[in-house]
Amino acid sequence: GQQVMQIPQYQHVQEGEDFTTYCNSSTTLSNIQWYKQRPGGHPVFLIQLVKSGEVKKQKRLTFQFGEAKKNSSLHITATQTTDVGTYFCAGPEYGGATNKLIFGTGTLLAVQP
Amino acid sequence: DAGVIQSPRHEVTEMGQEVTLRCKPISGHNSLFWYRQTMMRGLELLIYFNNNVPIDDSGMPEDRFSAKMPNASFSTLKIQPSEPRDSAVYFCASSLVRQGGTEAFFGQGTRLTVV
Repeated sequence: GQQVMQIPQYQHVQEGEDFTTYCNSSTTLSNIQWYKQRPGGHPVFLIQLVKSGEVKKQKRLTFQFGEAKKNSSLHITATQTTDVGTYFCAGPEYGGATNKLIFGTGTLLAVQP
Repeated sequence: DAGVIQSPRHEVTEMGQEVTLRCKPISGHNSLFWYRQTMMRGLELLIYFNNNVPIDDSGMPEDRFSAKMPNASFSTLKIQPSEPRDSAVYFCASSLVRQGGTEAFFGQGTRLTVV
């Protein structure tokens, strides 16, 4: 079955440093979505990428979808303590049921002030 | 809209008891997902529904788990009998299937502890 892996599992940074998490799917994806889960909270949708090679920005966050639509990355510039949480990628399998949303393993980001 | 509503928020039960988790999706959404989150296994998709019909339940751990969606505004996840290894946070999420994307909106979750 479809598997979505993320690296690293955990990253601890000093406030102001950059952060990147990588997402890799075992199958081609129709689209890639990113979610953020604060400690004790629930996953919250951040963004969706659909096109091969697409890049989108949200303030200090940059999202990229790979050319083969099997990988993606999230980069945060100059982290802040408000960025703390677990970042998940998720995607439905291309050609499969369009809304069977499989989540990646997640990357937990800790930011030290 | 109030978002996806789950109840109860916390549930503590004894092993062997029946547990029922409830979910009210966002009005107008046509897909509903049940996920289980643990430290060891992350966020696992248990089952999802399209237009109230179960489409894929391959993630349901075993026969002790069952899910229903009798109408567009309500779904339940039942565990009978419950076991300590079922302890986890259970999330319900809903989405509106449309061309190009299906972002999911999550409820606050139910934290289940089986002792």
